[in-house]
Parts: sequence; C-alpha cells; structure tokens
Amino acid sequence: ETGVTQTPRHLVMGMTNKKSLKCEQHLGHNAMYWYKQSAKKPLELMFVYSLEERVENNSVPSRFSPECPNSSHLFLHLHTLQPEDSALYLCASSLRTGPAYEQYFGPGTRLTVT
Amino acid sequence: AQTVTQSQPEMSVQEAETVTLSCTYDTSESDYYLFWYKQPPSRQMILVIRQEAYKQQNATENRFSVNFQKAAKSFSLKISDSQLGDAAMYFCAYRSDSWKSSGDKLTFGTGTRLAVRP
Repeated sequence: ETGVTQTPRHLVMGMTNKKSLKCEQHLGHNAMYWYKQSAKKPLELMFVYSLEERVENNSVPSRFSPECPNSSHLFLHLHTLQPEDSALYLCASSLRTGPAYEQYFGPGTRLTVT
Repeated sequence: AQTVTQSQPEMSVQEAETVTLSCTYDTSESDYYLFWYKQPPSRQMILVIRQEAYKQQNATENRFSVNFQKAAKSFSLKISDSQLGDAAMYFCAYRSDSWKSSGDKLTFGTGTRLAVRP
C-alpha cells in the first residue's frame, strides 16, 4: 500500500443515487488528482487540485463534482450517473503539480452504475 | 494533441527470461517526460521508470530499462530476469514539459497485460 487510500473500494449505485468517493493521502503532498479507468481505454484525467484549488477540469460532466477541503483529502461527489460511468476511479497525489513530480496512486474505487 | 499507443494488449514471458513492451507516442513538442507505470491485480498503480526527453541516456531501474528513441518516438520497456511479481498491466504515459500545451495532464496508453509463466 502506498500513502494514498481510497474508500470505498467497491460501490454499486443506481442512476438516481447520490454517493461520494473519498481519497486521502498521508504523504504531505499539495496536489491531488482524479482519474477514470475504463476497460480497454486509456486512463483519463478528470480533475487536478493544487493547494485545494481546482486547476484543471478535463471536460468532465457536471454529474461528477469534486471537492478538496484540504490538501490531504479529495472527494468525488456523484449524482444521476449513467451506466457508461461504470469504471475504476483512481485518485493520485504528488508533491506539487508539474511533470517533474511523481504521482502516487491509490488502489481505486470500482464503481458500477445499474 | 499527444497520443500514446501500446500495440501489444497482452504479452507473456517465462520466468527468468527477458521481455520487451512496446510504446510509441505522437507529439510535436521537444520537451516532455515519458513514464512506465505498473498496475498489479490489486490495482495500485506504481511508477516503474521515468525518462526525460532531453536526456540521451536510457533510464535504468534495477531489472527495468528503457530504449528511448526520440526521433522514432518510441519508448520500450525491457524487463530482465522476469519474476512472478512482474505480472501486471503496464501503462506507458506521456507528460508535456509545457504548462501551456497540456497543463498537468498525463496521457496514458491502453496498457499491456504481462503474464509471467513459472
């Protein structure tokens, strides 16, 4: 296990539900990321936070709503999702944003939308 | 826009043997970083090796090494003395060194699943 944890590890939700994914990093990093990993597709960057400020929103639908209350915690609030949103959602953190800083990934949340 | 292509969806190697995973990318930039990530069945992705495009010398990390061919836009990963624990999905990724072109985005390939035969 790295210093990035994600809960829950598995989540099944209906299209009308509201749920939240949680990510926590214990590495003292200042940047956090949400990625979506779908089967047979490249990982897609969804959001980037630096020092609790969103610095990138990669054209993600509004049914995904991120929240970063402090530099150690990152949430992804989900509502009225579609079946095609079923995927593995990975959180990552790095000391700072920028290509020189390694991203450390969490184990992911496997989301199934029914 | 940058793209990363991994043309081998699956590979297999005998334990203790050497295997090479292929990766090509497309970019118009001259300064960038390339990465290989490993994602074991437990799903925790970890960085295996990193190459800065301005460095001509190929990166090496223990049994892992890369063959970086900048002109050909090729970045292959060689795993020597393969071990059972090397079985995983391997992702090649690209990251621009320019904030203007892509912000903080890692562009990933679709991955290669490596099986290690005992």
